[in-house]
This record gives sequence, C-alpha cells and structure tokens, in this order.
Amino acid sequence: AQSVAQPEDQVNVAEGNPLTVKCTYSVSGNPYLFWYVQYPNRGLQFLLKYITGDNLVKGSYGFEAEFNKSQTSFHLKKPSALVSDSALYFCAVKDSGAGSYQLTFGKGTKLSVIP
Amino acid sequence: DGGITQSPKYLFRKEGQNVTLSCEQNLNHDAMYWYRQDPGQGLRLIYYSQIVNDFQKGDIAEGYSVSREKKESFPLTVTSAQKNPTAFYLCASSRGGTADTQYFGPGTRLTVL
Repeated sequence: AQSVAQPEDQVNVAEGNPLTVKCTYSVSGNPYLFWYVQYPNRGLQFLLKYITGDNLVKGSYGFEAEFNKSQTSFHLKKPSALVSDSALYFCAVKDSGAGSYQLTFGKGTKLSVIP
Repeated sequence: DGGITQSPKYLFRKEGQNVTLSCEQNLNHDAMYWYRQDPGQGLRLIYYSQIVNDFQKGDIAEGYSVSREKKESFPLTVTSAQKNPTAFYLCASSRGGTADTQYFGPGTRLTVL
C-alpha cells in the first residue's frame, strides 16, 4: 500500500522568508512524488515531480523539492515567500514498482504568507 | 487548468436525484480520473480510465458511475445511492504512463439541497 503524510495542517511564514512544506511517504517500491498547489475554488496546479535522478527537483514559480530516500521525505521549499504563494499545497505519491496508476494524495497543507 | 474543462462549475441537487458532471479534455491524453475533495481530507479517487471503453473503481466508487465512450470525455454520474454527495469534484487526465503527471480541471462543486 502507498501513503503520504503532510504533518502540518497550516504553515505561516513572513513575506520574504524561506518556506518549507513537509511531506513524508510510504511505498513498497520506488516512489514517484508530486507537488500540487490549489487556490480557492480552483483545480490543482502541478508544481514539480521526482521520478529518478537528481534529488533536488526544481519546479514552477521558484519552488523546489528535495527527495530524501533515507528519511522518505519530499519537502517543498522556496527561498523567498510571496503573499501570492498563499494557497493549499498537496503532496502525492505513486509506487513505481506496483504498476499502479493510482496517485495517493496527502490531506494538504495551508500556506499563509504574511505581508 | 490547461485543456481540461468541467461543467457546470456549481451544481445543486435534490435528494434522490441523479446528476451528471461533465469532463472534457483536448490534450489527447489516454487516461482520465475523477476525484472527490472534502475539507481536510485531501483528494480521494472515485474512478479512473486508462483507455476508451474501460474503467476501474477507485477507493470510493460506491454511489457513482462513469462511462468512457470517447477519448476526450469522461462523465461522472452521482447517483441517489451516494449518501453524502456534497463535495468538490475534480477531473484529471494524463498521458497514461505510470510516471506521467496528472493535470486537473477547474472542478465542480456539488451541493445537495
């Protein structure tokens, strides 16, 4: 079975400060990992993904994430937060070895960037 | 939201009625998905389809039905058997490989009156 956990329901950060949104996962094989962002009453927008290779993945809008196999983590980061980054962020995982097409999502973390 | 459209944006249903949510994509993607989103619960998979005329149940298929008669269309019917249908429904599509990214439509908010 595959699962993903986002341990923080909400993260508050001051504008201009670095931000981190945490994600840990559990799969039996190797993971495919994804980050999405959702603005109110909108669909999910894809930010970035890790499939294989370099552990540091760069994505849209200045976001990046680091894959850490030993800690089974895939935390989302940005060096300098903007007020417009305030949104709901979802981490998702898929087990590459299971032949599964099913993506499992975390419960989401609400990011608030304070001016 | 790319080339995925969902309609209507808001839908109101009386108890005991079936309603159908539309999802269309022009990305030439093989795979399509339906998710349900409830506050604080993330997204849960209802049904998915990897190819035309074939679909599989997800984690919460009870009370829902789908069809995939055309590659670009994957409508979801919420039946009267779904006891708590009020939610935000999201459709997604992907090229179909296991590592492929799923892209989402703008969603339909269903409210049962």
